[in-house]
Amino acid sequence: DQQVKQNSPSLSVQEGRISILNCDYTNSMFDYFLWYKKYPAEGPTFLISISSIKDKNEDGRFTVFLNKSAKHLSLHIVPSQPGDSAVYFCAASGLVSGTYKYIFGTGTRLKVLA
Amino acid sequence: EAQVTQNPRYLITVTGKKLTVTCSQNMNHEYMSWYRQDPGLGLRQIYYSMNVEVTDKGDVPEGYKVSRKEKRNFPLILESPSPNQTSLYFCASRGLAGANYEQYFGPGTRLTVT
Repeated sequence: DQQVKQNSPSLSVQEGRISILNCDYTNSMFDYFLWYKKYPAEGPTFLISISSIKDKNEDGRFTVFLNKSAKHLSLHIVPSQPGDSAVYFCAASGLVSGTYKYIFGTGTRLKVLA
Repeated sequence: EAQVTQNPRYLITVTGKKLTVTCSQNMNHEYMSWYRQDPGLGLRQIYYSMNVEVTDKGDVPEGYKVSRKEKRNFPLILESPSPNQTSLYFCASRGLAGANYEQYFGPGTRLTVT
């Protein structure tokens, strides 16, 4: 039972255009959502996050949108740069059935074409 | 420099030979966690610890043990490794003060069990 889903395994975008990465979750008890970026041979690094009390959070070229009713979040990267090419994981956290959960999606490989 | 370190980075072993992967963080974080990354499955949590002597199972704990005797260290123990534990392993940590849920990840340990 995949509680956090990234349905697009890969995405290719032209440099300078917008990249939109999507993530869906199933459990309404999640109250905090994060995006991580991962380069080959390195650990994931934190990119941006959003609390469930907000619907948008911006940090430079990166914006995360949260639609709680649809249990959906998205990461927008504008403009996309070749250095953004990496695997992106979304993660959801919260107290679920008395246990602290921190669950990652399966990842989306973004390729930004120069 | 704030960091999470893991050792070894690469390990090839045989079925049934006990091994330990070490994890250490220098940020005085209370929370530490182990994940495994497998193709198509993303990052799955093995065990986590909210503080010294407090550990709990994640989503895939079978075949693993952990201990948290000191705040900075969180070793992962495979008492009798099997080929299905061949994977890429990540240790992570985060502080519990405030609302920042960001985790800091180590560089990863690639384990092959033959």
